[in-house]
This record gives sequence, C-alpha cells and structure tokens, in this order.
Amino acid sequence: GQQVMQIPQYQHVQEGEDFTTYCNSSTTLSNIQWYKQRPGGHPVFLIQLVKSGEVKKQKRLTFQFGEAKKNSSLHITATQTTDVGTYFCAGRGSHGGSNYKLTFGKGTLLTVNP
Amino acid sequence: KAGVTQTPRYLIKTRGQQVTLSCSPISGHRSVSWYQQTPGQGLQFLFEYFSETQRNKGNFPGRFSGRQFSNSRSEMNVSTLELGDSALYLCASSLRTGSAEQYFGPGTRLTVT
Repeated sequence: GQQVMQIPQYQHVQEGEDFTTYCNSSTTLSNIQWYKQRPGGHPVFLIQLVKSGEVKKQKRLTFQFGEAKKNSSLHITATQTTDVGTYFCAGRGSHGGSNYKLTFGKGTLLTVNP
Repeated sequence: KAGVTQTPRYLIKTRGQQVTLSCSPISGHRSVSWYQQTPGQGLQFLFEYFSETQRNKGNFPGRFSGRQFSNSRSEMNVSTLELGDSALYLCASSLRTGSAEQYFGPGTRLTVT
C-alpha cells in the first residue's frame, strides 16, 4: 500500500534558525496536506498542495510540492518558540483508488531553544 | 461554530472488553475519519465515513468497526481489546470525502490494562 516517509524524525534548533522537513511518497499523490500538532494537542490543518511544482507561503512557512507529485517539503524561516510541535505531511492517492485515503507521515518533532 | 467533539476524553478498559467511542463533527460536515495515534506508529488511518457509508478503510483487524448516523455523528467500536490498542483515537471531520482540510477533535485517550 501507499507509504509516506518523513524526515527527519526530530529537529532541535536555536531560535532564529531555519527548519525544513521532507516528505516522500511511494506513489504519486493527488494532493498533499500539512498539519501541525502542538504537544498535548491535536493535529491542525496548515495547507493543501495540489498542483505539480506548487509553492505556497504562509508568513514564515514555505510549502512545496514536487514536480512528480511524490515529495513535498515544509520550510520555516527564522524559527520562533511558538513553532514548537510535530509537523505531519499527509498524502492522498489517486481518486477512486485504494490509496485515496489520507496517509500520514510519522512527523517531525521540532523543538526550539530560546 | 463549534469544533469536533469526542467522547469520552479518557477511558480505561481491561483486555477482552469492548469499547465505543463517539465523534460529533462540525455542523455541516458530512465526512468523518478515524485515526489511531501511537508514539511508535504515528497517525494511522482507520476508516472514513460519508453519508452513512464507509468510503475508505485502513489496515486494521475486523475488531475495529465504525458507523455513521444520519446526523453525521460517528461511532467507532473496538471489540476484544488488546494491550496494543492503547492509543489516542482521533476523529476528523470535513465537508465531504476527499475535501481540502480535516478538522480534528481532541481525541479519546484509551488505555487497555
């Protein structure tokens, strides 16, 4: 079945440093979503990417979807302590196929040292 | 608009028992998905319901089942509980199946002893 790999598993940075997490799917995706889960909280939707090569920005966050629609990345510029949490990517396979469900990566836990 | 609610929030059961968890989606949302979250396996998809029909199913044994009611509220049931079923069970609602974003509830923390 569809697998979504995410690296790194953990990332510790000093406040002000940049952070990037990468996501790779074993199959071509129809779209990819990103979620953030604060410690003790539940996942919160950040964004969805649909088009090949798409790039979207949300303030200090930049999301990219690969040309082949099998990989994605989230980059945070100048991290702040409020960025702490686990960032998950979630890929959805082709419509109507057995992989149409949302498959989550295992997430990257970001900690920020003030 | 009220968010996704899940009940109960915490539950302790013993091996062999069964459990039913409930999820009320955001008003107007017709799709409900269930996930199991554990430190080792992360977020794993259980099933998705839309208009009272199961649309997708993850790779979990038949002990895990669910249903959706006409008001879009959903329940999931786990029978013959095992220690490995201890996890945070998250419900997420969206407008329709395959929709852009899913809105997660706070989860039910199930501990099996």
